Amino acid sequence: RKEVEQDPGPFNVPEGATVAFNCTYSNSASQSFFWYRQDCRKEPKLLMSVYSSGNEDGRFTAQLNRASQYISLLIRDSKLSDSATYLCVVNYPLPGTASKLTFGTGTRLQVTL
Amino acid sequence: DVKVTQSSRYLVKRTGEKVFLECVQDMDHENMFWYRQDPGLGLRLIYFSYDVKMKEKGDIPEGYSVSREKKERFSLILESASTNQTSMYLCASSLWGGNEKLFFGSGTQLSVL
Repeated sequence: RKEVEQDPGPFNVPEGATVAFNCTYSNSASQSFFWYRQDCRKEPKLLMSVYSSGNEDGRFTAQLNRASQYISLLIRDSKLSDSATYLCVVNYPLPGTASKLTFGTGTRLQVTL
Repeated sequence: DVKVTQSSRYLVKRTGEKVFLECVQDMDHENMFWYRQDPGLGLRLIYFSYDVKMKEKGDIPEGYSVSREKKERFSLILESASTNQTSMYLCASSLWGGNEKLFFGSGTQLSVL
């Protein structure tokens, strides 16, 4: 089983639509979770962290379900500029105090007129 | 803003060549990482470093080595390049061990012929 799994998409949605992505992770000891955004031929950039209580940043809402080991990203009122690949990222603890980030393969979103 | 600079955007090398990929960050970050990104496989961690002269293997270190002689610089070395090392290489840095936010360079697209 992959450490972090995402539906690759693409998700094709019209402008103004609401779209949601899910991501599952395998290590129950993971402590930190993030969504990164990657535009075509660009580097990934942090979109938002995901907190246990859920968090919102404008049109974006992230939620964490530890019991089922998944995180979600909801985008409301989609814009053309939201078209990108969304990467689910999970922090994995290592021996000692170290940890590493593991990336999902990403979900591609295409917003159309 | 943090800047992570990778020395080359595109690189073409021949099989068997020794290849150096350089990465410099300007924000005094403790942690630096090298990833490769391939279609359908996402970002995979090659090596990382939490301090000068310190290195740790990631998920796919075979065929690679790294060097961190100065805090701001983290080099990835392909001792003898092979065609299966054709990929997009991304360097990243973060402030401290929690891996809270990664700042990526713009990537080096390496082609090994």
